[in-house]
Amino acid sequence: AQTVTQSQPEMSVQEAETVTLSCTYDTSESNYYLFWYKQPPSRQMILVIRQEAYKQQNATENRFSVNFQKAAKSFSLKISDSQLGDTAMYFCAFMNLANSGYALNFGKGTSLLVTP
Amino acid sequence: DVKVTQSSRYLVKRTGEKVFLECVQDMDHENMFWYRQDPGLGLRLIYFSYDVKMKEKGDIPEGYSVSREKKERFSLILESASTNQTSMYLCASSLWPTTGVTEAFFGQGTRLTVV
Repeated sequence: AQTVTQSQPEMSVQEAETVTLSCTYDTSESNYYLFWYKQPPSRQMILVIRQEAYKQQNATENRFSVNFQKAAKSFSLKISDSQLGDTAMYFCAFMNLANSGYALNFGKGTSLLVTP
Repeated sequence: DVKVTQSSRYLVKRTGEKVFLECVQDMDHENMFWYRQDPGLGLRLIYFSYDVKMKEKGDIPEGYSVSREKKERFSLILESASTNQTSMYLCASSLWPTTGVTEAFFGQGTRLTVV
């Protein structure tokens, strides 16, 4: 079974600053996806960014980027120019493409607070 | 826009009741999932389904069952609700990776309280 570890239960950052959220995972598979999801106080889970394991280039979506280190099994999320609306729970997730069903395995989450 | 709709946002049930949580998606997704979310534990997979009438146990299936009679609908059933099933329940759906770009789309969640 795959495990996903987020070692930072809570983090805080000032508006306009940059913050990095950590995620490590454990798998023996070579073909998989990694995701970061955001869950604001409204509870709606929203996809932030996705990385396919076979792609070496790190994914980027506007202010959000990842540092994907496949050998180290690390997948951190960098948020640049933090905004108050970035305050949310952030979940790292792993999808094994060898499994039927393609369920996501989630980490326990990091609660991010952006302060003025 | 993909929509995943859960039938209730808040639900209060009594211990021993049979509880049905309903989830409907409108994008013809093959895969559907039920997760349970608890503080400090993240999201844990209860059951998933990759086709009509197909179901697979996730990590914490005890005390739950599911039904998928139609592709768009995936129901979670608590056979006899207990207080330790008080939680947030999230439904999600996704395409098979071979048929499209894969991401899971989530419903708004049902906060279930068992008293």
